[in-house]
Amino acid sequence: RKEVEQDPGPFNVPEGATVAFNCTYSNSASQSFFWYRQDCRKEPKLLMSVYSSGNEDGRFTAQLNRASQYISLLIRDSKLSDSATYLCVVNVGRGSTLGRLYFGRGTQLTVWP
Amino acid sequence: DVKVTQSSRYLVKRTGEKVFLECVQDMDHENMFWYRQDPGLGLRLIYFSYDVKMKEKGDIPEGYSVSREKKERFSLILESASTNQTSMYLCASEVSNQPQHFGDGTRLSIL
Repeated sequence: RKEVEQDPGPFNVPEGATVAFNCTYSNSASQSFFWYRQDCRKEPKLLMSVYSSGNEDGRFTAQLNRASQYISLLIRDSKLSDSATYLCVVNVGRGSTLGRLYFGRGTQLTVWP
Repeated sequence: DVKVTQSSRYLVKRTGEKVFLECVQDMDHENMFWYRQDPGLGLRLIYFSYDVKMKEKGDIPEGYSVSREKKERFSLILESASTNQTSMYLCASEVSNQPQHFGDGTRLSIL
């Protein structure tokens, strides 16, 4: 079973739409969680960290459900510039402090005018 | 701002050549990583390093080695390049349990 699973999409939505991405992770020892954004032929860039209490950054809201091992990203009022691939990322701790990241394969979003 | 610099954006090499990919970070991060990214497969971890002269295998280390002689520099070596190593290679660095920062990537083609 993969460490991180996400729906690959593609999601095609009109400008102004609300879109949600989901992600599940398999390791209950996972310690920290992130959403990254990757534009075509570019490197992944951190979009936001995900906290247990849920967190919001402008039009973006991330939520974590540890009991269900589930992470979500909600984008409101979609813009053309939101078109990208969104990567769900989980840090699985090892031993005392050192962990490694596991990446989902990404969900592709296209926002059309 | 964290800066992770990879030596080349595009590289073309021949089968059997020894290939060096260099990565330098300027934020004194302890941990550095090498990934490759292929369509439909996502990012896969090749090797990582938690300290100078330390290295650990990731998920797909075969055909690769690494070197970390200085804290800021992490090199990926293809001992004898093969066509199935044509890929996008991404270097990243981090402070433990914080988000990773990526370099621009190297698109490597092996002919």
